[in-house]
Amino acid sequence: EPEVTQTPSHQVTQMGQEVILRCVPISNHLYFYWYRQILGQKVEFLVSFYNNEISEKSEIFDDQFSVERPDGSNFTLKIRSTKLEDSAMYFCATTYLIGETQYFGPGTRLLVL
Amino acid sequence: GENVEQHPSTLSVQEGDSAVIKCTYSDSASNYFPWYKQELGKGPQLIIDIRSNVGEKKDQRIAVTLNKTAKHFSLHITETQPEDSAVYFCAANGGYQKVTFGIGTKLQVIP
Repeated sequence: EPEVTQTPSHQVTQMGQEVILRCVPISNHLYFYWYRQILGQKVEFLVSFYNNEISEKSEIFDDQFSVERPDGSNFTLKIRSTKLEDSAMYFCATTYLIGETQYFGPGTRLLVL
Repeated sequence: GENVEQHPSTLSVQEGDSAVIKCTYSDSASNYFPWYKQELGKGPQLIIDIRSNVGEKKDQRIAVTLNKTAKHFSLHITETQPEDSAVYFCAANGGYQKVTFGIGTKLQVIP
């Protein structure tokens, strides 16, 4: 069964450093999402991406965050200057059509020290 | 925007008993309601979903009901097994692309 993959599985970084989280969507999926989950809390929407553009973003997704699909395969989330409060699990999700099931990757656990 | 409330936050049941998790949503535009199971250290995995044109859906031991008028939807797991132990999230799409999750229910099935 096709699945969403994410790398790295764990990332430890110093506050102020840049991190790039990577996702490989299911091959025929067209809509891509990033969510995050702070330890013990609910999964929160960050951003949705379609046709090489951001289609929706939350208040969390400020200027420190960016997304792109540089090579038509990987879908990346960049945090420009990490803060302590960015420590969380980051999940990529993808779907073929709007309103259809979103399939989640296993997540990247980011720890900012 | 959409707001999803979920309860209980924790639920312990004896193996073989049923478990029920309830959610409410706020946005009448929501038309898609997935349920996800999250095991420790893993991403949420879809277990069942329901759309607003359907009142009930069943898949083996799992069933979901939807009351659009009351904006309630529920997950029912029958004949629970230890491997059902996980965190379960309800979600609603608010008519948009994203899904808004509930806080999660930690289900523990006691052998």
